[in-house]
Amino acid sequence: DAGITQSPRHKVTETGTPVTLRCHQTENHRYMYWYRQDPGHGLRLIHYSYGVKDTDKGEVSDGYSVSRSKTEDFLLTLESATSSQTSVYFCAISSGDYGYTFGSGTRLTVV
Amino acid sequence: AQSVTQPDIHITVSEGASLELRCNYSYGATPYLFWYVQSPGQGLQLLLKYFSGDTLVQGIKGFEAEFKRSQSSFNLRKPSVHWSDAAEYFCAVGGFGNEKLTFGTGTRLTIIP
Repeated sequence: DAGITQSPRHKVTETGTPVTLRCHQTENHRYMYWYRQDPGHGLRLIHYSYGVKDTDKGEVSDGYSVSRSKTEDFLLTLESATSSQTSVYFCAISSGDYGYTFGSGTRLTVV
Repeated sequence: AQSVTQPDIHITVSEGASLELRCNYSYGATPYLFWYVQSPGQGLQLLLKYFSGDTLVQGIKGFEAEFKRSQSSFNLRKPSVHWSDAAEYFCAVGGFGNEKLTFGTGTRLTIIP
């Protein structure tokens, strides 16, 4: 969607390696989110940010860390990837009016 | 804690037939409610949202939803579906001052000719 991009779109990585996913926005929105999508679970919040260097945990944050050093970028890091982290990861942005805009997703496979 | 239940995992309807997707929520205060649609391989797109006021809200693509506080429901409806409506639909709940949305597990809609 215009204004938000995720990279990479697809990634295969080995168990135990660190992985970083990037979310970039051009909307200057305050709020940014990382969700994971798994069959039967819908979307579950991993971490979110409400400003530069202001982040907080979601419901499934174990094994993940985030950083936001600039308004436009929100990075999600899997510190040591496990097979249970195979998923589709979505970034979303919001100006605070609940008008979430989602990225196109990153499909991550951990082998 | 807030939660959303979408009791129907998969629904199949004929093209031109009416549609209703169910959503029940749990939230301790006045809820903000949303419906999103996801086409295969795509991100989620907002269909409609309810904050306050009229309990029947209109969205894009001819969809509407009705908020019923007494039943803790926010069901999505469309009078006549088109083949292009085949997708997965997610209901979500949040609240004022709480920027985090909680999503349901989704309902996959299949359209048959």
